[in-house]
Amino acid sequence: AAGVIQSPRHLIKEKRETATLKCYPIPRHDTVYWYQQGPGQDPQFLISFYEKMQSDKGSIPDRFSAQQFSDYHSELNMSSLELGDSALYFCASSTRDRAYEQYFGPGTRLTVT
Amino acid sequence: DQQVKQNSPSLSVQEGRISILNCDYTNSMFDYFLWYKKYPAEGPTFLISISSIKDKNEDGRFTVFLNKSAKHLSLHIVPSQPGDSAVYFCAASPDPSYDKVIFGPGTSLSVIP
Repeated sequence: AAGVIQSPRHLIKEKRETATLKCYPIPRHDTVYWYQQGPGQDPQFLISFYEKMQSDKGSIPDRFSAQQFSDYHSELNMSSLELGDSALYFCASSTRDRAYEQYFGPGTRLTVT
Repeated sequence: DQQVKQNSPSLSVQEGRISILNCDYTNSMFDYFLWYKKYPAEGPTFLISISSIKDKNEDGRFTVFLNKSAKHLSLHIVPSQPGDSAVYFCAASPDPSYDKVIFGPGTSLSVIP
């Protein structure tokens, strides 16, 4: 079965640079979520989109922005990167009516040096 | 303030025996509960869910029990297999369409052959 695809899988950036993470949801899933997982921490909700509109917002820094496109894929844009942004970034997808059953991608490991 | 708690950071079980992972929550508005399994360097994988109208849900070797009055749920894996060794996250949501699924800190399960 098709799963959530994230690219790139690994990304190394320097401080103050920008990064773009991409997420392709499971076919027929219309809702996309972004999570950040720091070392030894549980995944923290960042932001979600439904039908290209922002659906909910969590602890996402103002330096980050995201959007969902007409094909339902989503991109997370991160600017002025800081060392503390180094983490695993997960994208998840679901259908709107079962938002609690989110299917996660493999994650993008971002390292900021 | 952790709304979903998993008080055992780790658990070791012999192959073939039962694994019991526990989870407590504080928010009485939670109505949907999930368990996710996570291998290193991979995204969480949805395992099983339960809504508050039930007290038990079973899927193969995995059974989730919910005690709403005690705000407690548990995941039983029987028989445990070495491939079950992973981090297990308990998660909760107040509504099926609510985006912010709240994760617990996880319990690392080791199944010893």
